[in-house]
Amino acid sequence: DQQVKQNSPSLSVQEGRISILNCDYTNSMFDYFLWYKKYPAEGPTFLISISSIKDKNEDGRFTVFLNKSAKHLSLHIVPSQPGDSAVYFCAATPGTGGGADGLTFGKGTHLIIQP
Amino acid sequence: DTAVSQTPKYLVTQMGNDKSIKCEQNLGHDTMYWYKQDSKKFLKIMFSYNNKELIINETVPNRFSPKSPDKAHLNLHINSLELGDSAVYFCASSEDNSPLHFGNGTRLTVT
Repeated sequence: DQQVKQNSPSLSVQEGRISILNCDYTNSMFDYFLWYKKYPAEGPTFLISISSIKDKNEDGRFTVFLNKSAKHLSLHIVPSQPGDSAVYFCAATPGTGGGADGLTFGKGTHLIIQP
Repeated sequence: DTAVSQTPKYLVTQMGNDKSIKCEQNLGHDTMYWYKQDSKKFLKIMFSYNNKELIINETVPNRFSPKSPDKAHLNLHINSLELGDSAVYFCASSEDNSPLHFGNGTRLTVT
């Protein structure tokens, strides 16, 4: 029962262009959404989050959009840089914060930035 | 200066053995977690500890037991290891609903 789905296992984008990573969820109780970035042989690191009361949150080159009616969120990276090559995990929680209630993760999307 | 550190990084062992993975965080966080990333790449929560009390316990076999000697440590003990236990295990910590900080993972291989 996948409550958080990332349907693209991989995505290849040219350096300097926009990367768009998508995530869908099924649980209406999810209230807070996060994106994590993971390099090989390392743990996931927090990137950006959004509360369900917002539809957009921006932090530098990273913007997360939330469409609650469609149960869909996306992560935009612009411009894409070689160091952005990593696996990106979408995560959700029914809590008001970032993790104490336990995060439900998607399977991840491997983003490859090509020079 | 690693915030969440777990040891060992790699662990290869035979079926039926008992093993432990250690985790320490120096962030002063009050909640620690164990997550498992299986062969299908899903990251799933196993346990969390808040102030030495278990507050989440998903449907994990009782062969797995978390042990927290103090607020900065949450070790994972696994008894009678099975082939299906092979996975990457991640320790994490958080404070007041802040985003989780993860360790670098322990790759467990059961042969």
